[in-house]
Amino acid sequence: AQSVTQLGSHVSVSEGALVLLRCNYSSSVPPYLFWYVQYPNQGLQLLLKYTSAATLVKGINGFEAEFKKSETSFHLTKPSAHMSDAAEYFCAVSELRSGNTGKLIFGQGTTLQVKP
Amino acid sequence: GAVVSQHPSWVICKSGTSVKIECRSLDFQATTMFWYRQFPKQSLMLMATSNEGSKATYEQGVEKDKFLINHASLTLSTLTVTSAHPEDSSFYICSARQGASSNQPQHFGDGTRLSIL
Repeated sequence: AQSVTQLGSHVSVSEGALVLLRCNYSSSVPPYLFWYVQYPNQGLQLLLKYTSAATLVKGINGFEAEFKKSETSFHLTKPSAHMSDAAEYFCAVSELRSGNTGKLIFGQGTTLQVKP
Repeated sequence: GAVVSQHPSWVICKSGTSVKIECRSLDFQATTMFWYRQFPKQSLMLMATSNEGSKATYEQGVEKDKFLINHASLTLSTLTVTSAHPEDSSFYICSARQGASSNQPQHFGDGTRLSIL
């Protein structure tokens, strides 16, 4: 069975500092991986996705993530944090089974706080 | 592109009332739609998967008679919370996926905050 673990439920950085949000997955087959962001009282917005093409994936708002098969990781980074990046971030893996409709399995989420 | 509209945003109603939530894909056809429930400070819990023209597939522990899902067209799915009670109060979010492949991302609505008095 596939699973996702986000290390650190809360990450705090200063404005302008590097953002690193960690995500590790468990999967017996090559996974499809996604990062989503959620602002208060809103749905989720897709930041980026990995679907077995380039291992370094660039997304919106300056975020990128690198798929590392050897480490079973898909960490999200941004070189310089903005105040507007403060939100909840979710890593997700698409469940892959024969006949499956591709349900998303979400990590527990990481709250990113950006300090001025 | 890939906009999903969810209505209403907020619902406050009395216990025993049935509440319908709509999820529409505005600029694409959604073969599959998903309904989630989210408790405060927690991740999303999948309730059911809905395919156009067929019955929804519910996750274990989700009462299908309590949470009625209809996916009558490729752009609309509805979730009806029947005879809602305070314990049904939550944030409900829908998503829609364009195409049948599991490498296609889900696009989410803005959610519905349901409060049962």
